[in-house]
Amino acid sequence: AQSVSQHNHHVILSEAASLELGCNYSYGGTVNLFWYVQYPGQHLQLLLKYFSGDPLVKGIKGFEAEFIKSKFSFNLRKPSVQWSDTAEYFCAVNADTGTASKLTFGTGTRLQVTL
Amino acid sequence: NAGVTQTPKFQVLKTGQSMTLQCAQDMNHNSMYWYRQDPGMGLRLIYYSASEGTTDKGEVPNGYNVSRLNKREFSLRLESAAPSQTSVYFCASSPRTAGYNEQFFGPGTRLTVL
Repeated sequence: AQSVSQHNHHVILSEAASLELGCNYSYGGTVNLFWYVQYPGQHLQLLLKYFSGDPLVKGIKGFEAEFIKSKFSFNLRKPSVQWSDTAEYFCAVNADTGTASKLTFGTGTRLQVTL
Repeated sequence: NAGVTQTPKFQVLKTGQSMTLQCAQDMNHNSMYWYRQDPGMGLRLIYYSASEGTTDKGEVPNGYNVSRLNKREFSLRLESAAPSQTSVYFCASSPRTAGYNEQFFGPGTRLTVL
C-alpha cells in the first residue's frame, strides 16, 4: 500500500522568507502527485499536480514543486511567502490501482507566516 | 457551477443518534469519496464510489454506511454515532472512474458527537 510522509508538522516563517515543505511517498510504480492547501476554515484546494513530463511543476500563487523519482520526493517550494499563505498544506499521491482512483494523503504541514 | 456541495455545515449529535451527511456534485464526475479529517492525521478515506451503482470501503469504514443515490449524489450515514466520530467530514469527486485523477473537495461538515 502507498503511504505519504510529511516530516514538517508545523513551520513558522517570517514574510518574505523562502519555503520548502518536504513530501516523500512510498510506491514503486507510476504515480500522480498533488499538493493541496487548506486555508483556515475552508475546504481543500488544489495548489499543483504532477502527472507526467517536466518534473518541475508550477502551481497557483507562486508555488512550485519538484518531482524527484529517485528520491520518491515531491517537495513544495515558494521563494517568498506572504502572510496570506498561512494555511495547512497536504501532499497526496494517486497510484493507479486499475480499479479506482484513490488519493493517499500525508498528515499535513501547518504553515504560519508572521508579519 | 457550484462544484461539490455538502449539507449540513455543522451538526451536534448525542451518542447513539443517527444522521446522514449529504453530498452532491454538478460536474458530471464519475467518482465520489468521503473522508474524515482529524488533527495530526490528515485526511483518511472512509468510503468511495468509483461509479454510479458501486461503493467500496476505504481506510476507516467502521461505523459508517454510504449510498450512491445517482451520479450526482453520495451520502454518508452514521447509524449510531460515537464520540470517536467527532471530526470534519469532506466529500470529494473526480472525473474518471479509474486511473489518474485529481479530486475536487466540498466545504466540509463539522460533526460533534457528545
